Amino acid sequence: DAGVIQSPRHEVTEMGQEVTLRCKPISGHNSLFWYRQTMMRGLELLIYFNNNVPIDDSGMPEDRFSAKMPNASFSTLKIQPSEPRDSAVYFCASSLGSLAKNIQYFGAGTRLSVL
Amino acid sequence: GQQVMQIPQYQHVQEGEDFTTYCNSSTTLSNIQWYKQRPGGHPVFLIQLVKSGEVKKQKRLTFQFGEAKKNSSLHITATQTTDVGTYFCAGHSYGQNFVFGPGTRLSVLP
Repeated sequence: DAGVIQSPRHEVTEMGQEVTLRCKPISGHNSLFWYRQTMMRGLELLIYFNNNVPIDDSGMPEDRFSAKMPNASFSTLKIQPSEPRDSAVYFCASSLGSLAKNIQYFGAGTRLSVL
Repeated sequence: GQQVMQIPQYQHVQEGEDFTTYCNSSTTLSNIQWYKQRPGGHPVFLIQLVKSGEVKKQKRLTFQFGEAKKNSSLHITATQTTDVGTYFCAGHSYGQNFVFGPGTRLSVLP
């Protein structure tokens, strides 16, 4: 099993540019999570999908952030326009089963730097 | 909303010493998970506790879930340099998402 695959691993962009992060969950998993990790705020849940449907997006910071899951094997997190305060490591995780019992498998993350 | 706290924030130990991190929730949990993140890595699942008072062991690691299901602890016996990293607890309350604690960063001096 290849695990959760995220791309790119590193992204450096200028303020105002659009950034798209990609995630391929583990085959067969039906839940997908996007997290943001910073020193100041720790690990924050941004959005959670179940069976490709967004269930909880209360963690999405603002309208500049959007996430999609067009099918069971692919999800994107888009930031438009990006700002320096968006600099962080973004993790995607997937799991099998209900939220109450799931074990989350994390991808390697995308380190985003907005200059 | 639900809050999950961990103490200490940082811990520096000499190799061979024991280490304990504590996790406290503002609400009663249905279950709790522990994850480890190595420096520069990603969180990796360690264990899940479900029952009140539950104790689980993984080699030198001992995990406990409080009787009231509002706190948990992770104890490492005789730390090794391979134990370096940040240990997160993640708690789930009924009807809510998992909430990760801020983590305890462990440094082990050889």
